[in-house]
Amino acid sequence: AQSVAQPEDQVNVAEGNPLTVKCTYSVSGNPYLFWYVQYPNRGLQFLLKYITGDNLVKGSYGFEAEFNKSQTSFHLKKPSALVSDSALYFCAVRALYSGAGSYQLTFGKGTKLSVIP
Amino acid sequence: GAGVSQSPRYKVAKRGQDVALRCDPISGHVSLFWYQQALGQGPEFLTYFQNEAQLDKSGLPSDRFFAERPEGSVSTLKIQRTQQEDSAVYLCASSLATRVDEQFFGPGTRLTVL
Repeated sequence: AQSVAQPEDQVNVAEGNPLTVKCTYSVSGNPYLFWYVQYPNRGLQFLLKYITGDNLVKGSYGFEAEFNKSQTSFHLKKPSALVSDSALYFCAVRALYSGAGSYQLTFGKGTKLSVIP
Repeated sequence: GAGVSQSPRYKVAKRGQDVALRCDPISGHVSLFWYQQALGQGPEFLTYFQNEAQLDKSGLPSDRFFAERPEGSVSTLKIQRTQQEDSAVYLCASSLATRVDEQFFGPGTRLTVL
């Protein structure tokens, strides 16, 4: 079974400061890892993914995430937060194996990010 | 509109009623997913289609839940004899075959079972 933990329900950060949203995962074998974002009154949007290669992945809107295999973590980061980054962020994982069920994403509970002006 | 659309956006059903939720994916998207999102939780996988073929239905919680995509485009999630625990937001997502994991989500249908 695969699982995702987002230990913080809410993260508050001042505009212009760096932000980190934490995610740890559990999966059999090598993972595919993802971040999705949900803005108020809008559907979830894909932000970035890690499949293989460089442990630092860059995505949309200046976000990046660092894959750490030894700590089974995939934290989302941004060097300078904007008020418009305020949203609900979801980390997701799936195992890298073939088969009909291989596209089943498992999401975390989500972390609400509030960027304070 | 180029996005995923879902209808209705809100549905209130009495316990025991049957409901049907519709999803219109982005044109050309081969892959289609249904998720259930309870309040304060992340989306939970229900089922996955590739074109008209339902390749994974392991997430459907009971045999009251049924999904179809007969022509490989529009999909319908049907819930028979609804129960209160079925109350949730039902999300539909679609993606290209070559980028299955980069899913585009619809706004969801909020189902309330009284």
